[in-house]
Amino acid sequence: GAVVSQHPSRVICKSGTSVKIECRSLDFQATTMFWYRQFPKQSLMLMATSNEGSKATYEQGVEKDKFLINHASLTLSTLTVTSAHPEDSSFYICSARDYRGWTQYFGPGTRLLVL
Amino acid sequence: SQQGEEDPQALSIQEGENATMNCSYKTSINNLQWYRQNSGRGLVHLILIRSNEREKHSGRLRVTLDTSKKSSSLLITASRAADTASYFCASEAAGNKLTFGGGTRVLVKP
Repeated sequence: GAVVSQHPSRVICKSGTSVKIECRSLDFQATTMFWYRQFPKQSLMLMATSNEGSKATYEQGVEKDKFLINHASLTLSTLTVTSAHPEDSSFYICSARDYRGWTQYFGPGTRLLVL
Repeated sequence: SQQGEEDPQALSIQEGENATMNCSYKTSINNLQWYRQNSGRGLVHLILIRSNEREKHSGRLRVTLDTSKKSSSLLITASRAADTASYFCASEAAGNKLTFGGGTRVLVKP
């Protein structure tokens, strides 16, 4: 099946720094990518939808200036958590779909810990 | 709330028994999907059922969909210890966005 990778898998950073997370579709072109956040023992919450070459669409309550999303190519989307704070510590998961499929393919997730 | 609901929240069964979990959603959907997540890992897609389907099978998995009740169920038959994981339903509406349920944590004891 289709493969989606994320990098890094884990990151620890100091409060106030920015962290970039990459999401790549390895064997297909992803016209749309999605970014989710998952707190411990909770479900996934959609943060934003990213279409290649256009601005991301953010869900209500998600600060677009804090969570910068760039989808510059059909195989790469990045999420940058700017000026991270401890409350941003979470598991961030991306998914990707191509123009043909019903299915979203999920990345393995990135665990962010902000100290 | 964005989320749908799942019940039970947690389920503990013996190996060989069946596990059933239910999911409700709030809006009209194109399809409903079930995913598995092992602790601290990404999601694995299990099965997709379209809005015009009522039942679907895949190996030991059986999924039902009742659009009149806006509900779905996932049955895992003859469970194995390796089935221990969290299971999430996700409804897909217009715009291709997935709305996840709260999840069911399943523990299969050997």
